[in-house]
Amino acid sequence: AQKITQTQPGMFVQEKEAVTLDCTYDTSDQSYGLFWYKQPSSGEMIFLIYQGSYDEQNATEGRYSLNFQKARKSANLVISASQLGDSAMYFCAMREGITGGFKTIFGAGTRLFVKA
Amino acid sequence: DAGVTQSPTHLIKTRGQQVTLRCSPKSGHDTVSWYQQALGQGPQFIFQYYEEEERQRGNFPDRFSGHQFPNYSSELNVNALLLGDSALYLCASSLVSEQYFGPGTRLTVT
Repeated sequence: AQKITQTQPGMFVQEKEAVTLDCTYDTSDQSYGLFWYKQPSSGEMIFLIYQGSYDEQNATEGRYSLNFQKARKSANLVISASQLGDSAMYFCAMREGITGGFKTIFGAGTRLFVKA
Repeated sequence: DAGVTQSPTHLIKTRGQQVTLRCSPKSGHDTVSWYQQALGQGPQFIFQYYEEEERQRGNFPDRFSGHQFPNYSSELNVNALLLGDSALYLCASSLVSEQYFGPGTRLTVT
C-alpha cells in the first residue's frame, strides 16, 4: 500500500543556512509522482516542487531542490539559504499513476522553524 | 490568471445537517480532488473528479459525495454531519506534474 513517512516532526535551522527535510515513500507502482508543499499558519497549501518517477534529473525550483533517490525510495527536500518566511509546515506527498484516476497521499508533515 | 478558488471560507453547521462546498479549478486544469485536513495532520484524500466522473476515492463514507460540472468546477457534499467532520476542506486542481490547492473551507460542526 502507498505510504509516505516524514520522520522529523520539527526542525530548526539558522537563517541563511541550508536544511534538508526527509521523506521516504513506499509504493509498488512504477509510475508515480512526488510533491512537496508548504503550509504556513494561514492554512494555504503552497506547491513547491514535483518529481516524476521517470525523471532522471533531480527537480529544482529556485531555492528548493528535491534529492530523489529511487532505489532508496526517498525524496528529500533541500531548502537553500533559509529565510524567516520559510517557517511553516512542510508536507511530502505521493501520487500513484500519472494519467487519469489517481490519488495523492500525504505524510504527517515537518514543522520548520527558521531562527534569526 | 486566477488560481483555485473555494467558497465559502468558513462555515458553521449543526450535527446532522448537510453542507455543500464549492471549488473552481485553476485555468486549464480539468481534474479536481478534495481533501480533508484535521488539525495538526496532513490532508486526507476524499475523492477525485475528471470528466465529470468520480475517478478515485479514499476511505470516506458515502455521506461524502461530489459532483463536477462541465466547466470543471466541483462541489463536495457532506450529509448527516458529525462532530468529527470538523476540519479544513481543501480542493486541488491538477495537471500531470502540478497540483495546486485552494485556500480551503474551514468547517465547524457543533
